[in-house]
Amino acid sequence: GQQVMQIPQYQHVQEGEDFTTYCNSSTTLSNIQWYKQRPGGHPVFLIQLVKSGEVKKQKRLTFQFGEAKKNSSLHITATQTTDVGTYFCAGRANFGNEKLTFGTGTRLTIIP
Amino acid sequence: ETGVTQSPTHLIKTRGQQVTLRCSSQSGHNTVSWYQQALGQGPQFIFQYYREEENGRGNFPPRFSGLQFPNYSSELNVNALELDDSALYLCASSYPADGNTEAFFGQGTRLTVV
Repeated sequence: GQQVMQIPQYQHVQEGEDFTTYCNSSTTLSNIQWYKQRPGGHPVFLIQLVKSGEVKKQKRLTFQFGEAKKNSSLHITATQTTDVGTYFCAGRANFGNEKLTFGTGTRLTIIP
Repeated sequence: ETGVTQSPTHLIKTRGQQVTLRCSSQSGHNTVSWYQQALGQGPQFIFQYYREEENGRGNFPPRFSGLQFPNYSSELNVNALELDDSALYLCASSYPADGNTEAFFGQGTRLTVV
């Protein structure tokens, strides 16, 4: 079955440093979403990417969808303590297939 | 907040028992998906309901079953509980338009099986 892996599993950064998490799917995706889960909380939607090679920005966050639609990345510039949490990518295999396959997640901690 | 509510928030059950978890979807959303999230892992898709019909299922045994009601709220039932069923159970509602839509998650039900 479809597998979605993320690296790294954990990332500790000094406040102000940049952070990147990478997401790789075993199969081609129709679209990919990114979620953030704070400690003790639930996943919160960040963004959806649909097109091959798509790049989207949200303030300090930059999201990319690979040309082959099998990988994606999330980059945070100048991290802040509010960025703490686990970042998950989640992919859909086919249009109309509502099953979201979540990645393994990258847990970000910030050193003040 | 998303408008998706789950009950109860916490639950302790004994191995072999049955449990029912409930989810009220966000207003206007006709699709509810259930996920199991073990500690330190990503959510795993259990199944989805669309307009009261099951619309996709993940790799979970038949003792995991569900319902969706005419008001689009949903239940997740788990029979013959096992210790490994201990997890956070998340409900997510959405209003799919050709499959490209975000999921709005509830706060989850933390189930502990002892």
